[in-house]
Amino acid sequence: KAGVTQTPRYLIKTRGQQVTLSCSPISGHRSVSWYQQTPGQGLQFLFEYFSETQRNKGNFPGRFSGRQFSNSRSEMNVSTLELGDSALYLCASSPRVGGNTEAFFGQGTRLTVV
Amino acid sequence: AQSVTQLGSHVSVSEGALVLLRCNYSSSVPPYLFWYVQYPNQGLQLLLKYTSAATLVKGINGFEAEFKKSETSFHLTKPSAHMSDAAEYFCAVSLSTNAGKSTFGDGTTLTVKP
Repeated sequence: KAGVTQTPRYLIKTRGQQVTLSCSPISGHRSVSWYQQTPGQGLQFLFEYFSETQRNKGNFPGRFSGRQFSNSRSEMNVSTLELGDSALYLCASSPRVGGNTEAFFGQGTRLTVV
Repeated sequence: AQSVTQLGSHVSVSEGALVLLRCNYSSSVPPYLFWYVQYPNQGLQLLLKYTSAATLVKGINGFEAEFKKSETSFHLTKPSAHMSDAAEYFCAVSLSTNAGKSTFGDGTTLTVKP
């Protein structure tokens, strides 16, 4: 079974631009979550989607948005990029919701804002 | 609300020595607890999880962790370190209804010396 696939793996953008990251979950998984990982802040939760609905949202500005499609694939968008948005963005999928369900992570997208 | 504290951002052990990575949690309700490992430029991989069954949980690669409610701890151990164990380790907590919204600790980087 294929794992979680994130594209692209690496991305360089200029301050002020916008970016869209893509995540394809494991087949059959309907829950997709996004995390931002930086050396200073660690792993921070962005949002979670289940069946095309956002279930949870972290403490990030409105420039960060996401969506989930009917095939469970998810995208996240960051508008008006800032230097501080440089990070590893991780997507994780789970077969169901519920606290006892582990997350399966993709390899991440490394975003560099210059 | 929940939180996780990992004591020691860096731990160094000799090959063959005991590995002990510390994790303390705070949760207003019974938590679900996870340990993940991350290798450079990779996503996170689940090592083990506690979901209110046995308090001693065995995971992959010879790791295990013990849930101690009285100490609010979930420390990760391995009897004999191997060079391939060198990585960053994250403890995470989630609540019963929010699998996708895990709260992660800051991580502990494990170095294994030959």
